[in-house]
Amino acid sequence: GQQVMQIPQYQHVQEGEDFTTYCNSSTTLSNIQWYKQRPGGHPVFLIQLVKSGEVKKQKRLTFQFGEAKKNSSLHITATQTTDVGTYFCAGSGNTGKLIFGQGTTLQVKP
Amino acid sequence: GAVVSQHPSWVICKSGTSVKIECRSLDFQATTMFWYRQFPKQSLMLMATSNEGSKATYEQGVEKDKFLINHASLTLSTLTVTSAHPEDSSFYICSATKGPYEQYFGPGTRLTVT
Repeated sequence: GQQVMQIPQYQHVQEGEDFTTYCNSSTTLSNIQWYKQRPGGHPVFLIQLVKSGEVKKQKRLTFQFGEAKKNSSLHITATQTTDVGTYFCAGSGNTGKLIFGQGTTLQVKP
Repeated sequence: GAVVSQHPSWVICKSGTSVKIECRSLDFQATTMFWYRQFPKQSLMLMATSNEGSKATYEQGVEKDKFLINHASLTLSTLTVTSAHPEDSSFYICSATKGPYEQYFGPGTRLTVT
């Protein structure tokens, strides 16, 4: 079945450093979504990418969707302590069902 | 907005008993609701997809007789864990959609079976 792999599993950075998490799907996706889960909280929707090669920005966050619609990345510029949490990508096929990646847990040292 | 609530937020039950978890979309009608399970420091695993008025679609490996889902209305879905065992202890999260893509997640229910 469809699988979504996400790396790295953990990332520790110094505040101000950049951070990137990568997501790869075993099959072509109709769209990919990114969520953030704070410790003890629930996933919160960040963004959805639909078009091949799409790039979207939200302040310091940059999201990319690969040309083949099988991979995606989230890049955070100049991390802050408020960026701490686990970032999940989730791929969707034609059914609307989301398959979540394993998540990347970001720790930011002040 | 799009707010999803879950009740209870946490529950402790004895082995062999059943537990019902409610998921409500508070300010929108949800075309579809999803139930996920999340173990500590792990990802969300989709258990089932629930549409109002029809039977839930369960993912492979999820026992439908053990995890009963009832989607009574466009704003309410329930998950009942029947004859719970300690290995059922987990964080159960529901989500609801009002459009084709974006899912809105509830705060989750932490179940502990003793």
